[in-house]
Amino acid sequence: NAGVMQNPRHLVRRRGQEARLRCSPMKGHSHVYWYRQLPEEGLKFMVYLQKENIIDESGMPKERFSAEFPKEGPSILRIQQVVRGDSAAYFCASSPDGNSNQPQHFGDGTRLSIL
Amino acid sequence: AQKITQTQPGMFVQEKEAVTLDCTYDTSDPSYGLFWYKQPSSGEMIFLIYQGSYDQQNATEGRYSLNFQKARKSANLVISASQLGDSAMYFCAMRWGTGRRALTFGSGTRLQVQP
Repeated sequence: NAGVMQNPRHLVRRRGQEARLRCSPMKGHSHVYWYRQLPEEGLKFMVYLQKENIIDESGMPKERFSAEFPKEGPSILRIQQVVRGDSAAYFCASSPDGNSNQPQHFGDGTRLSIL
Repeated sequence: AQKITQTQPGMFVQEKEAVTLDCTYDTSDPSYGLFWYKQPSSGEMIFLIYQGSYDQQNATEGRYSLNFQKARKSANLVISASQLGDSAMYFCAMRWGTGRRALTFGSGTRLQVQP
C-alpha cells in the first residue's frame, strides 16, 4: 500500500516563476492537507481539501497561493510569482476521513528553493 | 487560544537509556487529539503515537509511550531503550474540536542519541 506521494522532491525556481507541487494521497484517503515548514521550525497548516472542495484555507496566504484536489488526479499546490520567502519544505498529508483520532500520514515533502 | 509548546530545543540521551520529550498544550475544547511525529535528517514525517482527550489509558506503541496528564495539559513522549536511529527531530501536534481538522505543531525537540 503506497504511502503519500509528493513530487518533485526538490524544486528550484527563479523569482517571479510559478511553482507547482503535487500530492497523491494514500489509497483510500480522500482528505488532503498541505503544510509548510521553514528551517528549524514546526509545520504550519496551509489548506485542507476533500475531493473537489476546499474545506479550510485559513492558513494559506491570500495572494499567489492556490490549491486544488480534482476528482481525478493529485492535489496541486500552486504558487505564482514566487519570492525568496517562499523557500521552504512543503508537506502534504492525507487521512481516510476527518475524524480527530485518525493520524495524518505525510509524504516526504517538496523542498522549494527560490533563486 | 489553542497553543502547543515544546520547551526543549535539544536533548541528549545515551544509547539504551530512556528519554522523555516534553509537550504542553492549551485549549478550552474538551475534545482533542494529540500526536507525535518523528522527522529524521532525511526530512520525512513519521507518525509515532496518538492520544485522544477522552482516552482513559496512556497510549503505547512499541518503545514509544505517551505520558498523558490531562489536568496538567501535558502529553510527554517517552522513548525507552534509545537507539542510534532515534536521533531526529520530534514534533508534538494537536488537533482540537470536531470542526477543525488541521494539526497545530510545536516547535520540535532535536534528540541526539549517543553511543
